[in-house]
Amino acid sequence: NAGVTQTPKFQVLKTGQSMTLQCAQDMNHNSMYWYRQDPGMGLRLIYYSASEGTTDKGEVPNGYNVSRLNKREFSLRLESAAPSQTSVYFCASSAQYSPNYGYTFGSGTRLTVV
Amino acid sequence: RKEVEQDPGPFNVPEGATVAFNCTYSNSASQSFFWYRQDCRKEPKLLMSVYSSGNEDGRFTAQLNRASQYISLLIRDSKLSDSATYLCAVNIEGRRALTFGSGTRLQVQP
Repeated sequence: NAGVTQTPKFQVLKTGQSMTLQCAQDMNHNSMYWYRQDPGMGLRLIYYSASEGTTDKGEVPNGYNVSRLNKREFSLRLESAAPSQTSVYFCASSAQYSPNYGYTFGSGTRLTVV
Repeated sequence: RKEVEQDPGPFNVPEGATVAFNCTYSNSASQSFFWYRQDCRKEPKLLMSVYSSGNEDGRFTAQLNRASQYISLLIRDSKLSDSATYLCAVNIEGRRALTFGSGTRLQVQP
């Protein structure tokens, strides 16, 4: 059981380049999330998808777009990367939106924008 | 002011010690609470949920104090392997995703 799989694990981009971070879960979870983690800032929500076919902005959505391709996959796209987007990106999923359910996280993508 | 605040630490404790962390939240509409553990350069992993009545799992005890708006995590008989960053997470009413604190770093020393 792979859980939540993120690719790539590491990436270096030049300012202005674009890329898509991939996330897939095999736990039949309904809800999926993208967070970024920066030193001293904790995890901040970028976008989430409560269920297949829906996406919503989180706390820091500017500069990002998402696609919930199907129940398993939720991708995050940077259209024109900026140095401020240097961060560690985590995808997570949960069985459903409920106070009693925790998240399962992927192993993260370490992105550097130069 | 951050909605979920934690002392960043580090808390340096000897093996076998008891250590406690607090996490304060500002939104009184917060509904449920979690502790996550994050090892260096790894993803967060759910440690335990925090129920109104408290929650105990082996050496770990989590408590909720709604009146003062904080949750706590107590670790007894600390092990070297407990060294990690502990994140609290809060489900704020009306939001559809968890809000995380910045984490408290624990270093257990031999």
